[in-house]
Amino acid sequence: SQQGEEDPQALSIQEGENATMNCSYKTSINNLQWYRQNSGRGLVHLILIRSNEREKHSGRLRVTLDTSKKSSSLLITASRAADTASYFCATEAQKLVFGQGTRLTINP
Amino acid sequence: DGGITQSPKYLFRKEGQNVTLSCEQNLNHDAMYWYRQDPGQGLRLIYYSQIVNDFQKGDIAEGYSVSREKKESFPLTVTSAQKNPTAFYLCASGGSGANVLTFGAGSRLTVL
Repeated sequence: SQQGEEDPQALSIQEGENATMNCSYKTSINNLQWYRQNSGRGLVHLILIRSNEREKHSGRLRVTLDTSKKSSSLLITASRAADTASYFCATEAQKLVFGQGTRLTINP
Repeated sequence: DGGITQSPKYLFRKEGQNVTLSCEQNLNHDAMYWYRQDPGQGLRLIYYSQIVNDFQKGDIAEGYSVSREKKESFPLTVTSAQKNPTAFYLCASGGSGANVLTFGAGSRLTVL
């Protein structure tokens, strides 16, 4: 069964705005990862947050993890047209399981 | 440059034919994975291999087969037994420690 579920399924915002995507999961995890996929391409790893971490930053990305609520969020600040892509969370317990993704569109 | 190469990028197959998708990596990663992605969907694990000459079924292995004769290579065969093979196939590899994956560019298979 799918471990991570993302919300919203699709998000459309104006360039320069912040984009927030959420991921919920059902069982205990070792870590949670976020990946990005441009249309018709492979996934690219963005960031990993371990179960004992609450927040992590990488450039314009900010990831939070709340293990009590079994949820994570990915914030992209000051969005650019090039951020248009699908974003997937992946949770790892015994194996890595991907959610269904959020399709993000940045309008110029 | 280190990375993963998948070929072919596009493949058309007639019903009843087996096809093999190639995946080669030069990252010296022990683990390799095959995922299937359907339109608007997440990734589903087909097979994975953590070491040469060993592999395990994932969540949707029926109708697929793999081999891992070399560390660098993990080909996937889509057999005629796979009832709905039209999809985007992604190969990935991972090193030791935290399971961060590097993906290939994908192979799109269409059954005519």
